[in-house]
Amino acid sequence: AQSVTQLGSHVSVSEGALVLLRCNYSSSVPPYLFWYVQYPNQGLQLLLKYTSAATLVKGINGFEAEFKKSETSFHLTKPSAHMSDAAEYFCAVSGETSGSRLTFGEGTQLTVNP
Amino acid sequence: GAVVSQHPSWVICKSGTSVKIECRSLDFQATTMFWYRQFPKQSLMLMATSNEGSKATYEQGVEKDKFLINHASLTLSTLTVTSAHPEDSSFYICSARRASSYNSPLHFGNGTRLTVT
Repeated sequence: AQSVTQLGSHVSVSEGALVLLRCNYSSSVPPYLFWYVQYPNQGLQLLLKYTSAATLVKGINGFEAEFKKSETSFHLTKPSAHMSDAAEYFCAVSGETSGSRLTFGEGTQLTVNP
Repeated sequence: GAVVSQHPSWVICKSGTSVKIECRSLDFQATTMFWYRQFPKQSLMLMATSNEGSKATYEQGVEKDKFLINHASLTLSTLTVTSAHPEDSSFYICSARRASSYNSPLHFGNGTRLTVT
């Protein structure tokens, strides 16, 4: 079975500060990892994905994530937070044994303070 | 632009009635679509996998007779909530992949907010 755990259901940062959202995964096979963002009353938008190529993955809106196998982590970062980054962020995992299904983490609500 | 369209975006219905939600892939064919349910402040829970031309695969604990899924074409899947009750009130989201590969990301619709009174 595969799973992801997002540490911290709420993260609050000041505008211009570093954003760090944590995600740890559990998988018995090489995982494929994704970060999605959800704005209120909307579906999910893909930020970035890791599919066994480069371990440092760059996504949209200035976000990036680094796959660390030794730590089973895939943390999401952004050097400088913007007010428009305030949203819910979900880490997700899929893999060969799960077919085409995605398993989501619990989500992290990011608040950006002026 | 959006590649998966979901309709309606919100609906209010009375207890005992049925509601149909549509999910369309706009510029690609999707043999498989996924239906999720999301409660407030919670993550997405996979309800069922919709397979074009065959029966949907339901997750454990999801009533297949209550949540009817039809995937009659390669671009359209529908979820019908039958005999809705207030506890069915939730945010329903569909998704689809452009390709059949498991490392291809899912594209999501904008969701449907269902309120049952």
